[in-house]
Amino acid sequence: QKEVEQDPGPLSVPEGAIVSLNCTYSNSAFQYFMWYRQYSRKGPELLMYTYSSGNKEDGRFTAQVDKSSKYISLFIRDSQPSDSATYLCAGSKETSGSRLTFGEGTQLTVNP
Amino acid sequence: DAGITQSPRYKITETGRQVTLMCHQTWSHSYMFWYRQDLGHGLRLIYYSAAADITDKGEVPDGYVVSRSKTENFPLTLESATRSQTSVYFCASSDGWGGGDTQYFGPGTRLTVL
Repeated sequence: QKEVEQDPGPLSVPEGAIVSLNCTYSNSAFQYFMWYRQYSRKGPELLMYTYSSGNKEDGRFTAQVDKSSKYISLFIRDSQPSDSATYLCAGSKETSGSRLTFGEGTQLTVNP
Repeated sequence: DAGITQSPRYKITETGRQVTLMCHQTWSHSYMFWYRQDLGHGLRLIYYSAAADITDKGEVPDGYVVSRSKTENFPLTLESATRSQTSVYFCASSDGWGGGDTQYFGPGTRLTVL
C-alpha cells in the first residue's frame, strides 16, 4: 500500500467551478502536508503547506487536513484555465531530514 | 540565471551506457535532491545531499551514483542504463530539510533508455 494515495484523474471542469482535489495517507507520523502544482513539462512548485490538522487559505486556494481520517484536500474556487496542471499532494514527518512522500498527482483541466 | 537548472533537458541513450544528468543551483542551498517521476508512482527520492561531500540514499537508489564536490552542483550518474530507468528526473534544492522547508524543483530531464 502506498503511503499517500491520490486519484490520478484526469479531472475536467468548466471555468469558474469549485475544484476539490483529495488525498489519503497512511502514515500517522506525518505532520506536514504539501500541495505542489506541476505544469506540463515543468518541475513541481510548492503551492501551499499546512502543519497538522486544520485549514489554510491563500487567495482562491484552501488546503484542508483531517488527521483523524488521514485525509488531505485542496479546494480551488473560481477555477481558471491557468489552473490547468497536475496537483501533487505530499506528506512528511516533523523530524528534520524526513523525506517528502508524494501522491501520484491529479491532472486537472479547466475549460474556458 | 538564478534558480535551479538541469541539463540536458532531453536524453536518449542505449541500454548499458553511462549517462550523467547535471543539476546546478545558484541559491547556495545546503540540501539537494534527485527524484524520478513515473506514471503510477509519482515522485520518488533517489538520492539526497545535505552539503558538499555528504550524500545519502533515498527510496530508489539502485543503479544510480551521485557526487557533490561543490555546493551548487549535484550530478546524477546512471552507471549502466537500463530500460526501467526511462523516466523524468527532477533535481531539487532547499535551504533546510524540515517539514516546513520548501523544496525548489528544476525543470526536469526526460530520459529514454532504448
